[in-house]
Amino acid sequence: KAGVTQTPRYLIKTRGQQVTLSCSPISGHRSVSWYQQTPGQGLQFLFEYFSETQRNKGNFPGRFSGRQFSNSRSEMNVSTLELGDSALYLCASSLDYRVGAFFGQGTRLTVV
Amino acid sequence: DQQVKQNSPSLSVQEGRISILNCDYTNSMFDYFLWYKKYPAEGPTFLISISSIKDKNEDGRFTVFLNKSAKHLSLHIVPSQPGDSAVYFCAAWKGGLTFGKGTHLIIQP
Repeated sequence: KAGVTQTPRYLIKTRGQQVTLSCSPISGHRSVSWYQQTPGQGLQFLFEYFSETQRNKGNFPGRFSGRQFSNSRSEMNVSTLELGDSALYLCASSLDYRVGAFFGQGTRLTVV
Repeated sequence: DQQVKQNSPSLSVQEGRISILNCDYTNSMFDYFLWYKKYPAEGPTFLISISSIKDKNEDGRFTVFLNKSAKHLSLHIVPSQPGDSAVYFCAAWKGGLTFGKGTHLIIQP
């Protein structure tokens, strides 16, 4: 079955702009989580959506937001981009966290 | 404040021997622990997990041990194979995954 698909794979934006990243989970998975990976901070949890509702949230400013649609696809939005937002953004879907989440290949965002 | 720590950035092990990857955590409220493996340019891949009420879980060549009193877990890979060379992340679940910074495992032929 198809894995987790993230689009686009690469993105370059300028400071102050906003960006929307997309994630299509594995069919049947209703939980979708987003993570930010940077060399300095490693992998950090942004938020988790389950059945269109944000169920859990990490320690990121309100500029980072997301949503989930009825087909479980999810989008993540970052407004007023800062240089420090340059990172690999990973989406993961799961049936149940106990059996692990399946990650996409990520979207590499560069803010210039 | 790093709640999940992997203190060894890298580890080199000979093929066929045992690889032991370590992880420490500070939050006693974590209720599940997981190990992920990551190759360059790919997302992490789930390997194995363990509930906080267990002390051992085994899956083929991979075994995870949990010592709750020491807030320590370890991943044992026996025997180590060249394809095991990757970055290994320890993660803990409590309403979201908290990851360690990873250990780069290098299997020497």
